[in-house]
Amino acid sequence: AQTVTQSQPEMSVQEAETVTLSCTYDTSESDYYLFWYKQPPSRQMILVIRQEAYKQQNATENRFSVNFQKAAKSFSLKISDSQLGDAAMYFCAYRGDSNYQLIWGAGTKLIIKP
Amino acid sequence: NAGVTQTPKFRILKIGQSMTLQCTQDMNHNYMYWYRQDPGMGLKLIYYSVGAGITDKGEVPNGYNVSRSTTEDFPLRLELAAPSQTSVYFCASSYRGGNRGRGDTQYFGPGTRLTVL
Repeated sequence: AQTVTQSQPEMSVQEAETVTLSCTYDTSESDYYLFWYKQPPSRQMILVIRQEAYKQQNATENRFSVNFQKAAKSFSLKISDSQLGDAAMYFCAYRGDSNYQLIWGAGTKLIIKP
Repeated sequence: NAGVTQTPKFRILKIGQSMTLQCTQDMNHNYMYWYRQDPGMGLKLIYYSVGAGITDKGEVPNGYNVSRSTTEDFPLRLELAAPSQTSVYFCASSYRGGNRGRGDTQYFGPGTRLTVL
């Protein structure tokens, strides 16, 4: 069975600095998709970025980028120029090509220090 | 587009009561999902639907039922509520189609916080 592990329950960063959130996963599938979702205190689950495993190029969305290491089964999220509005829970999620559901990590709480 | 909407936002139930959580999407998505999120955890799939009239169980279906009579609506019914069903419930939808359409992105509603006492 696939699993997703986020080993950092909480991270803090100074405003305007860069922070990296870690995610590792376990799967025997060769084709799959990885996602980072942000959940602010409002509880809304917001897609931050997604990565297709068949693509070698790392995905980027403005200040958010990923470091996808397929062989190591690692999928970290880098947030550059951190802003107060980035404070939230961040969840890493996996979906196999043959599956319908998202498998979720336990989340990392990101604190931004002004 | 409103996206995915859920009602109610909050609800308190007594043990043994029943209720229906409503979910509607206006993005013409074919796939819809119900998840629950317990404190300090990620989401777990309860039920999903690949189209009107077709539903299937996810990881934690016990104590719940769903139906999908239209593309837009996917209600979740709780029968005989139990304290273990205290959670936040999220509805999501996605579109699948085309050769690489399986890489769909799921879009979430705002959630319903349910407490069973």
